[in-house]
Order: sequence, then structure tokens, then C-alpha cells
Amino acid sequence: KAGVTQTPRYLIKTRGQQVTLSCSPISGHRSVSWYQQTPGQGLQFLFEYFSETQRNKGNFPGRFSGRQFSNSRSEMNVSTLELGDSALYLCASSPTTGNEKLFFGSGTQLSVL
Amino acid sequence: GESVGLHLPTLSVQEGDNSIINCAYSNSASDYFIWYKQESGKGPQFIIDIRSNMDKRQGQRVTVLLNKTVKHLSLQIAATQPGDSAVYFCAQGEAGNMLTFGGGTRLMVKP
Repeated sequence: KAGVTQTPRYLIKTRGQQVTLSCSPISGHRSVSWYQQTPGQGLQFLFEYFSETQRNKGNFPGRFSGRQFSNSRSEMNVSTLELGDSALYLCASSPTTGNEKLFFGSGTQLSVL
Repeated sequence: GESVGLHLPTLSVQEGDNSIINCAYSNSASDYFIWYKQESGKGPQFIIDIRSNMDKRQGQRVTVLLNKTVKHLSLQIAATQPGDSAVYFCAQGEAGNMLTFGGGTRLMVKP
């Protein structure tokens, strides 16, 4: 089976712009979670989607949003980018909701200038 | 909020020695605990998990120990190899909720 695929691998944006990141889960996995990873804060949970519905949400501002499609693929969007949004954004999939045994992609490295 | 922390940010071991990575957690209601390994340029990779009703679980060259009395989790790696060099994260979770990750420990294996 192919693993979790995230695109793009790298992104450079400027403050105020918006960005959309994409994630394709492992075939058959219906749950997709997003995490932000920074050197200072570690891995921070953003949100989880299961069957196109957001099930859990972390403590991030409304500028961070996501969605899941019927084929389980997911996107996350960050609007009005700030310098502090620079991070590695990781997507993880699992067969069912509940987040046990997450399978992570390699992430999208976002740099905000 | 609940937190999961690590005692040592960096651990340096000699190739062939055993490694022990420690983790303290605060949420006594957690149902399970997971160790992840993250190599440079990659996402975290699942290593081993343990349910809260267990105190020990073994995998291939790895053992996880859970001490609920002192809320402590450890990962033991036997005969550490250069390929074990990575950042290791512990994570805790409750059924139906998202995982909470610790800050990570960097393991460096000296040849």
C-alpha cells in the first residue's frame, strides 16, 4: 500500500497570503488528522476529519481550516498567513476515528516570509 | 491542558549499547500510549504502543514500560544501531480523542 502523501513538499509564502495543503491518506483509511510541528511547540493537533466531518479540533485560530472529501482526501487552508505559521504541517491517517496508530506523511514545510 | 513531557532532550549512546528514553505524562485517564520515531525529513513513524491496563510490551528490539503509579513511560532499544538515530516522541490518548505528543528526545548513536 502507498503511504500517506502530502503535497506540496515545500512552500514559501509571504505574510497575508493564504495557502492550501493537500493530503491523500492510505487507501482504506477514513480518518485524517493534521498536526503542526515547530521546534518550539513540538507537535500540535490541528483537527481531525472522519467521513467528511470534523470530529476534533485543536486550539488554533479560525484562520486554520480544513475539509475532507468523499474519497477521504483532505485539505487544510491557512488564511492571512503570519510569520509564526512557518512550520512543518503533518497529515496522518488511520483506518477509523480515535487516532490510534496514526500513519504520518512526510509533511509540507511552509515558510512564511 | 494535558501534557506529555520528556526528561532528556538529547541522548547520546554508543552503537551496540541499550538506549532508554523516558517520558512523563500528566493525564491519568489516558487509554493508551504510543512511541513514534521521526527521522530527518520524514514524518513520525509508529514504533510501539501500550494500553493503560498493561505495564510492559515488547517488540522487535524495543520494549515499552508503563508505570501508572508515577505516570512514567519509557522506551528501551536493545543493541542500538546507527539507524536508530532520530527524534523519539511519546504520545498519549483517550478513546475518541486526539493524541497529545511530548516534546521529543533526540537519540544520537555514536559508531
